[in-house]
Amino acid sequence: EPEVTQTPSHQVTQMGQEVILRCVPISNHLYFYWYRQILGQKVEFLVSFYNNEISEKSEIFDDQFSVERPDGSNFTLKIRSTKLEDSAMYFCASSEEGYYGYTFGSGTRLTVV
Amino acid sequence: AQTVTQSQPEMSVQEAETVTLSCTYDTSENNYYLFWYKQPPSRQMILVIRQEAYKQQNATENRFSVNFQKAAKSFSLKISDSQLGDTAMYFCAFAPPLVFGKGTRLSVIA
Repeated sequence: EPEVTQTPSHQVTQMGQEVILRCVPISNHLYFYWYRQILGQKVEFLVSFYNNEISEKSEIFDDQFSVERPDGSNFTLKIRSTKLEDSAMYFCASSEEGYYGYTFGSGTRLTVV
Repeated sequence: AQTVTQSQPEMSVQEAETVTLSCTYDTSENNYYLFWYKQPPSRQMILVIRQEAYKQQNATENRFSVNFQKAAKSFSLKISDSQLGDTAMYFCAFAPPLVFGKGTRLSVIA
């Protein structure tokens, strides 16, 4: 069964450093998403991406965050200057149609120290 | 904005028994989708079941079924013949956009 692949599975970074989280969505999917889950809390929407541009973003997705689809297969989330409160599990998801079938990756656990 | 409420932070059930997890949501939309996701200790998000709001028939997927009450904005998940592997966090979600509830931690006891 097709899957969404996220790398790395765990990343530790110093506060203030830039991190890039990588995702390879399912190949025929057109819609891409990033979500995050702070430990013990609910899954929060960050951003959705369609047709090479952001289609929707939450208030969490401020100027420190950016997304890119650099080569037609990868979908990346960049955090420019990480803060301690950015420590969370980050999930990438993709869907063929806009809202019907979301497939999530296994997540990247980001720890900011 | 759409909201999803799961009123049961934790539940437990004996192996082979049936358990129902509650979910309510708030929206002014008429067309939408509802989902239940399972998050085991590995923290992967696994789709359990989904329901289109325009379909009156409740979705079923093997041991998992939902009770969708559109007028009441209620979307409960029933797990029959519970298995130890069902132990996980269960998140109810609404789309569009995909918004999650706070989750219910289900423990299946041998």
